[in-house]
Amino acid sequence: QSALTQPASVSGSPGQSITISCTGTSSDVGSYNLVSWYQQHPGKAPKLMIYEGSKRPSGVSNRFSGSKSGNTASLTISGLQAEDEADYYCCSYAGSSTFDWVFGGGTKLTVL
Amino acid sequence: EVQLVESGGGLVQPGRSLRLSCAASGFTFDDYAMHWVRQAPGKGLEWVSGISWNSGSIGYADSVKGRFTISRDNAKNSLYLQMNSLRAEDTALYYCAKGGSLDSHFDYWGQGTLVTVSS
Repeated sequence: QSALTQPASVSGSPGQSITISCTGTSSDVGSYNLVSWYQQHPGKAPKLMIYEGSKRPSGVSNRFSGSKSGNTASLTISGLQAEDEADYYCCSYAGSSTFDWVFGGGTKLTVL
Repeated sequence: EVQLVESGGGLVQPGRSLRLSCAASGFTFDDYAMHWVRQAPGKGLEWVSGISWNSGSIGYADSVKGRFTISRDNAKNSLYLQMNSLRAEDTALYYCAKGGSLDSHFDYWGQGTLVTVSS
């Protein structure tokens, strides 16, 4: 159960697009289309933004999109807004048993 | 509206035990898997444990295996985490999270309950 690898920080200006990567292995990200992404503002609980790689829950802006290539999943935020400034975490099913999940270390998004 | 309310956290000495609870409402509790996820102060998220709708399948992170026990009471719409042999590294905010459809993600989270392990 090794943590997925995310960049510690990314930044962008309002209106720009940014992408956060999440690198795992062929045992987790690479084997399953079960990557989810969570947004966490300071002092708040995480919020689901993307699930099953690219699906958006109801109520989540279509500025948020997810994708995967090989062992790396990505979250793209287009048209950056000040409210997007938060920590973002990826998560993947890790496959060794029915319940086996692993998170990334988190990425701090700064909107300049 | 889905609500998850955790309780039971507090200050506990190393080696002692603590039991967390999560009261669920706003959805059919026994239709979904449930999970515990923790976050150490200033750190990232760590999945701790999960349990299927009927308690037939259970899993734990290696870091807590053999010390923590997850359970649920569908009649009371409640999820529990029994934590034994607590260590300083178990200090964290413990979140209760609802499994999404096909349990492929965590779609709702509580606000968390803080566990501090210190002498």
